[in-house]
Amino acid sequence: DAKTTQPPSMDCAEGRAANLPCNHSTISGNEYVYWYRQIHSQGPQYIIHGLKNNETNEMASLIITEDRKSSTLILPHATLRDTAVYYCIVRYAGGTSYGKLTFGQGTILTVHP
Amino acid sequence: EAQVTQNPRYLITVTGKKLTVTCSQNMNHEYMSWYRQDPGLGLRQIYYSMNVEVTDKGDVPEGYKVSRKEKRNFPLILESPSPNQTSLYFCASSLGRRKGRNTEAFFGQGTRLTVV
Repeated sequence: DAKTTQPPSMDCAEGRAANLPCNHSTISGNEYVYWYRQIHSQGPQYIIHGLKNNETNEMASLIITEDRKSSTLILPHATLRDTAVYYCIVRYAGGTSYGKLTFGQGTILTVHP
Repeated sequence: EAQVTQNPRYLITVTGKKLTVTCSQNMNHEYMSWYRQDPGLGLRQIYYSMNVEVTDKGDVPEGYKVSRKEKRNFPLILESPSPNQTSLYFCASSLGRRKGRNTEAFFGQGTRLTVV
């Protein structure tokens, strides 16, 4: 799986949009971009994923650049409960290790009142 | 409610005393795996299972065993625990591949294990 680079920490004001960047410059054509988050020491929680097109669900939006070398996770109206570690993960869709998630260090997002 | 359930949530044990951490999912998922999380090292996969009776090693399998006799259960066994297995453990499950793409994983709430 391609390596990802994320800033170690970010701050955001409550009610504002949180934009979390991720660099994955070595991503290949059949690799997806996934985002998970981990609140305190709870189990990681799936947020969103995409291949080429931008994606949106009830939690967040995912913007992937045209060359697919980077992406941004957007939490449109951050709340205090969004304070967590956010992981950007690139996963290959095939092979025998298709289920494996390779977690990096992630971005610690702190939402302030 | 769809969930992955791990037990126990907290466990303190002594070196060499065999223990089992249970994991159960109610979503009929094919793929299950175990991760451990340590400060500075992140989450690392221990073992995984692609279906019943199919298991394989992840990145850090030494000192662990698993079994997958039923689709819903995937216990993690420490035959002779040592202090370096003190960690936070997570079980995860997913549907596996569908139409060439991976599906999202659901994680349990974690088991904090201390081996003294």
